[in-house]
Amino acid sequence: EAGVVQSPRYKIIEKKQPVAFWCNPISGHNTLYWYRQNLGQGPELLIRYENEEAVDDSQLPKDRFSAERLKGVDSTLKIQPAELGDSAVYLCASSAAQVAGTQYFGPGTRLLVL
Amino acid sequence: AQSVTQLGSHVSVSEGALVLLRCNYSSSVPPYLFWYVQYPNQGLQLLLKYTSAATLVKGINGFEAEFKKSETSFHLTKPSAHMSDAAEYFCAVSGGSGNTGKLIFGQGTTLQVKP
Repeated sequence: EAGVVQSPRYKIIEKKQPVAFWCNPISGHNTLYWYRQNLGQGPELLIRYENEEAVDDSQLPKDRFSAERLKGVDSTLKIQPAELGDSAVYLCASSAAQVAGTQYFGPGTRLLVL
Repeated sequence: AQSVTQLGSHVSVSEGALVLLRCNYSSSVPPYLFWYVQYPNQGLQLLLKYTSAATLVKGINGFEAEFKKSETSFHLTKPSAHMSDAAEYFCAVSGGSGNTGKLIFGQGTTLQVKP
């Protein structure tokens, strides 16, 4: 079974530029998560989808971040414009059930904003 | 609100020695608890999870954790460390009122294994 796929793995951009991350969850997983992991810290949830619906986006900085999950499968997270403080690892995870459902993580996209 | 505290950002053990990584949680409802491991430049891999069944949970790679409600703890142990155990370990809590599906992670503990 293929795991969670993310691309790109690494991205270097200058501040004020846009950037997008893509995630393909495990087949059949209805729940998809985007987390941000700052250096030396644990991941923090940005947004959670149940199928196509964003059910928890309270931690997503909506002035510059946006996300979508068309057709309830793949998802894209976008930052526009990027700021220096956005440098982090962006992790995508998926699960088959809420609450106790194990979340399976992708390898992440490491973003560096110069 | 739920929270997780991992005591000790760095733990160093000798190969073959006991591994003990500490995790305390705060939750107003029975929690679901997880331990994940992260190797350099990789995503998080589940080691084990507690979901209100047996309080002693066995995971992969010889790791286990014990849920102690009275101490609000979920410490991770392994009897004998191996060089390949060197990684970052995260404790996380999920579930409960207003937190369905969201994982709240601790700050992480870096495990160093010396030969």
